[in-house]
Amino acid sequence: QSVLTQPPSVSGAPGQRVTISCTGSSSNIGAGYDVHWYQQLPGTAPKLLIYDNSNRPSGVPDRFSGSKSGTSASLAITGLQAEDEADYYCQSYDSSLSGYVFGGGTKLTVL
Amino acid sequence: EVQLVESGGGLVQPGGSLRLSCAASGFTFSFYWMAWVRQAPGKGLEWVANIKQDGSEKYYVDSVKGRFTISRDNAKNSLYLQMNSLRAEDTAVYYCARHGQHNFDYWGQGTLVTVSS
Repeated sequence: QSVLTQPPSVSGAPGQRVTISCTGSSSNIGAGYDVHWYQQLPGTAPKLLIYDNSNRPSGVPDRFSGSKSGTSASLAITGLQAEDEADYYCQSYDSSLSGYVFGGGTKLTVL
Repeated sequence: EVQLVESGGGLVQPGGSLRLSCAASGFTFSFYWMAWVRQAPGKGLEWVANIKQDGSEKYYVDSVKGRFTISRDNAKNSLYLQMNSLRAEDTAVYYCARHGQHNFDYWGQGTLVTVSS
């Protein structure tokens, strides 16, 4: 059971918009710690996709955006493309555990 | 270009030991916190340990405390993870990662550790 809760899977057709939620608690997201998102393409290492809730590293398309409110965060992907099919993970810091925590991951399927 | 290359994974019996290495290049290694993150087969990501730039601070997930030791050699641009008393549940791909501001901004390709008799 992960400290951060994500839906196991989401799907969408090419060109559509999908969102992935990440729900935490008062000891992590709700405590003000930033949320970061990673994309893991099949058979590869994770890649930082969104940092500090809503910022994109250089080279990440603006189709990807992040937001945070209260004890939750979300990742939105617009103009869905086949190459977006991957696992997505949220991550934050937890003060009760004194360590970094990840969500269980969400598998995005492009129909 | 930032590069992180892990090595040292393999098959080990329960109770055994293994030492992972990570060779870093393309950035000033001594300026950054570094971390190990693992992923069990078919499962999600789990932060394992991290270490401050000069090695003076180290933190671990509870499940590996007392068994794993993270260390670094800034002269060799290298990060290490000494794993003792290995258990079946330690079976995973272990990734070396560079720390950004409370995130992991670059990752290696990973090295597989299998604990089995």
